[in-house]
Amino acid sequence: SQQGEEDPQALSIQEGENATMNCSYKTSINNLQWYRQNSGRGLVHLILIRSNEREKHSGRLRVTLDTSKKSSSLLITASRAADTASYFCATGNSGTYKYIFGTGTRLKVLA
Amino acid sequence: DVKVTQSSRYLVKRTGEKVFLECVQDMDHENMFWYRQDPGLGLRLIYFSYDVKMKEKGDIPEGYSVSREKKERFSLILESASTNQTSMYLCASSPPRGEDGYTFGSGTRLTVV
Repeated sequence: SQQGEEDPQALSIQEGENATMNCSYKTSINNLQWYRQNSGRGLVHLILIRSNEREKHSGRLRVTLDTSKKSSSLLITASRAADTASYFCATGNSGTYKYIFGTGTRLKVLA
Repeated sequence: DVKVTQSSRYLVKRTGEKVFLECVQDMDHENMFWYRQDPGLGLRLIYFSYDVKMKEKGDIPEGYSVSREKKERFSLILESASTNQTSMYLCASSPPRGEDGYTFGSGTRLTVV
């Protein structure tokens, strides 16, 4: 049961540019998380935003959440080649510890 | 450095074999999860456990079973491996509510021939 859908599926940008990825989901959530996956490796937790928050920052990451539109965006500013990875959103419902992952956005940052 | 360790990075098994994938975490987390990841399908939950000896089916449990005899260890078992179980398998753990996010292992790429 896929909850999150990331958009675009793939994104290619030049180093120094900003990268924006979007996530849409279907049911009400308690919080939303973003993860990064380097090729062939496990996922790494980046940032969590709760349903009562609209925006959150962590270093070069900025996450927004619009619960009325059931969508979130992840912005990576001043991208670097090392940001090349797949990015996944994961949604959690109230009262559950299970998170449902989307299919991911593949980001390629060209040096 | 806290971590989740999966016993093998790469594994090749024959059709019909019984396969054990092991996962160990050192964070004293209550919750542990097994996902498989396939191109275009994202991560799909196979099984999860919220306590020792407790387990619940995820979205695609068919052909799999799990064992959690100790808090730190969660094993995924392929009773009779088939070629359609060729995939990347990811183990994760989290505190009870999962609000600090999941910690993932590095993954096991299983090929069934």
